Amino acid sequence: ETGVTQSPTHLIKTRGQQVTLRCSSQSGHNTVSWYQQALGQGPQFIFQYYREEENGRGNFPPRFSGLQFPNYSSELNVNALELDDSALYLCASSPGLRSPLHFGNGTRLTVT
Amino acid sequence: KNEVEQSPQNLTAQEGEFITINCSYSVGISALHWLQQHPGGGIVSLFMLSSGKKKHGRLIATINIQEKHSSLHITASHPRDSAVYICAVIMSASYDKVIFGPGTSLSVIP
Repeated sequence: ETGVTQSPTHLIKTRGQQVTLRCSSQSGHNTVSWYQQALGQGPQFIFQYYREEENGRGNFPPRFSGLQFPNYSSELNVNALELDDSALYLCASSPGLRSPLHFGNGTRLTVT
Repeated sequence: KNEVEQSPQNLTAQEGEFITINCSYSVGISALHWLQQHPGGGIVSLFMLSSGKKKHGRLIATINIQEKHSSLHITASHPRDSAVYICAVIMSASYDKVIFGPGTSLSVIP
């Protein structure tokens, strides 16, 4: 039990739609990062939030955006969904930078 | 060339065997994670290392910063150890950019 909860667990969307994925972290975890894992591949870093500000971003287009809230929850928003966005989306939180990561179980998104 | 590589890619072992999974990386890092991912997706962090060696139960992780290499060892392997093991490095940057290796799929046969 990592104390990190993601919702929903599974989601099916149509190309062009928008989606919001949610992550609830442990109290005191002021760093959250999001990752995309395509089938059979390792996770890819999307972005990181630290104290409600985005402080790092991977090679993902602007239609991937996020928010972090004071209650240690966060969101990943994806606009204009494409078929290639089908993947497992993982969030991980930690009590600070350079601290051990605690992963959620992920949200599996299918875009048809 | 990927920034984080793992070997072997796939591994099948008999129950009780000693297992070693290797990770090498080419970037400057502040720390390295060994992660375990079971079918269905959930990831568990086994170790976070920045130097030396750590042990937890039957698992041992080592890192050599100069050689940019880390190993994960499993002693007395068990079928419940069957999973994908992923090496992930935290880059030396202003934020925790994490680069993941491709994973090693381990199957332990009774």
